[in-house]
Amino acid sequence: QVQLVESGGGVVQPGRSLRLSCAASGFTFRNFGMHWVRQAPGKGLEWVAVIWYDGSNKYYIDSVRGRFTISRDNSKNTLYLQMNSLTAEDTAVYYCARDRSALHYFDYWGQGTLVTVSS
Amino acid sequence: QSALTQPRSVSGSPGQSVTISCTGTSSDVGGYDYVSWYQQHPGRAPKLMVYDVSERPSGVPDRFSGSKSGNTASLTISGLQAEDEADYYCCSYADNTRVVFGGGTKLTVL
Repeated sequence: QVQLVESGGGVVQPGRSLRLSCAASGFTFRNFGMHWVRQAPGKGLEWVAVIWYDGSNKYYIDSVRGRFTISRDNSKNTLYLQMNSLTAEDTAVYYCARDRSALHYFDYWGQGTLVTVSS
Repeated sequence: QSALTQPRSVSGSPGQSVTISCTGTSSDVGGYDYVSWYQQHPGRAPKLMVYDVSERPSGVPDRFSGSKSGNTASLTISGLQAEDEADYYCCSYADNTRVVFGGGTKLTVL
């Protein structure tokens, strides 16, 4: 069965960096685009970024463009999110999700990893 | 990048039907037939309930149905059950290769 397992979350000071990982299994990872979606405490879902199945294209929400980088290693079935210059507004649970039909919808989600930006 | 507009809460009694609206613009909901809906129980990951406006993934009960008219999409849940109580989010593909979510609607089963 499809499994997505995020890791790498934690408490980090403002201005510092953090890298999240999402280990995929149960499907042919290299055939699917992948997304990061976040949810601030008590708030709604917010799409963050997408990467094409082969890594050829990447798109970001305006608030993270230039600070966050989405990447993938298809040989390791792993998705990444490098987050730099973190601010309190980046505090959220970060989910990875599998793309279907080029951003049309997300059919599988991980359980999420919590990132807390605080001094 | 404004979120799609959803009512903050809706409620209904077991067996009744409820409809959750999701209003966007011609740059997202109105411009594409790529609206999806997600159910989220507290502390859990979102679950896909409807995609491409009105399609249901396998395993989702046919009590859940989606539709769209102009810039507004809707999710209707008929024959409400206690386990339907959750937060529901609409989502749409948008211009310039973006994805936008609604603010979420809390469904209470009375």
